[in-house]
Amino acid sequence: DAGVTQSPTHLIKTRGQQVTLRCSPKSGHDTVSWYQQALGQGPQFIFQYYEEEERQRGNFPDRFSGHQFPNYSSELNVNALLLGDSALYLCASSFSLEQFFGPGTRLTVL
Amino acid sequence: DQQVKQNSPSLSVQEGRISILNCDYTNSMFDYFLWYKKYPAEGPTFLISISSIKDKNEDGRFTVFLNKSAKHLSLHIVPSQPGDSAVYFCAASASGRDDKIIFGKGTRLHILP
Repeated sequence: DAGVTQSPTHLIKTRGQQVTLRCSPKSGHDTVSWYQQALGQGPQFIFQYYEEEERQRGNFPDRFSGHQFPNYSSELNVNALLLGDSALYLCASSFSLEQFFGPGTRLTVL
Repeated sequence: DQQVKQNSPSLSVQEGRISILNCDYTNSMFDYFLWYKKYPAEGPTFLISISSIKDKNEDGRFTVFLNKSAKHLSLHIVPSQPGDSAVYFCAASASGRDDKIIFGKGTRLHILP
């Protein structure tokens, strides 16, 4: 079992650009959640996808959007990047209460 | 507004002794609590959880205690081992899998030889 995988591992973008991050959930998991972890902080919930629909959303602007595909994999899109979007972006998959995290994508915005 | 608070940014414990990590929460709707462990360059790893209907859950060296009246939980690691050195996140959710998980800022645990 490959567990939760994320790509890319690292990414450098400039302000105003757009970025797409990808996540493949653990086998058997149907729910994907995305988190942003800034330096020195805990993960902050962005949104959760289930059955290809956004089920829950945290306190993030509309610049953050996502998608879930029929195979349960997911994408996180961020438009009009700001310096403050620099963070580790974590994907977590679940089938029950416990969420299993991927290694994350480190996004740096210059 | 920090709904889950871990007030100790770091903690150092001698190998073989007990490590106690504390967590407070403010939202009385939380009914499920989790602890995650994170090594550098890895995602958080689920460690142990507890439902609000219990006050204790044990899994090997790890025990989580929940005091609902004080809105406080703690993670005990006995005995502490060098591999336990990591950042530990306390997290909480309401209404089970349908709700988002709220994380604390984490406590960095150093196990001293």
